[in-house]
Amino acid sequence: GQQLNQSPQSMFIQEGEDVSMNCTSSSIFNTWLWYKQDPGEGPVLLIALYKAGELTSNGRLTAQFGITRKDSFLNISASIPSDVGIYFCAAPKGGATNKLIFGTGTLLAVQP
Amino acid sequence: GAVVSQHPSWVICKSGTSVKIECRSLDFQATTMFWYRQFPKQSLMLMATSNEGSKATYEQGVEKDKFLINHASLTLSTLTVTSAHPEDSSFYICSASRGELFFGEGSRLTVL
Repeated sequence: GQQLNQSPQSMFIQEGEDVSMNCTSSSIFNTWLWYKQDPGEGPVLLIALYKAGELTSNGRLTAQFGITRKDSFLNISASIPSDVGIYFCAAPKGGATNKLIFGTGTLLAVQP
Repeated sequence: GAVVSQHPSWVICKSGTSVKIECRSLDFQATTMFWYRQFPKQSLMLMATSNEGSKATYEQGVEKDKFLINHASLTLSTLTVTSAHPEDSSFYICSASRGELFFGEGSRLTVL
């Protein structure tokens, strides 16, 4: 079935450092989404990508839709303590826009 | 403010009892809502699609008799975990679309 694999599984960094994480799949997707989940909360959308090769920014966050449509990358610049959380990539399941499959997640810890 | 709201935020119940979790869309109508389950330190897994006025559609491997879904109005979907057992303990999250897909705050179920 469709699976999204994220790496790294976890990251422990110092405040101010840049962060990069990626999401890969053996399946092709037409949409890539990046979410952040704080402990005990539901995920919140960070960035949505709709076109292969697209590079989109949201403040300190930048995400790219891989040209093969099988991967996506998320970068966070100048990390701050509130960036702590779990980052998930997601893509439409079976082509249905609002039914998502989620990646395995990347846990980010930022030390002040 | 919240666009999709869940209640309760957390619930503890005895094994064998049934538990109902509500998902409400705030200030918009949602003919379709989605239920996810997230085990500790794992990703979100789509359980089912809740359809207003008709039967829910379940993902492969999800027991429809175990997880009863009712979407009786355009702003409310309920998930009932019947005869709950400790292995049903999880974080249940719903989502609904208002252009963008929004997730509820999640409901943590602990079955003793």
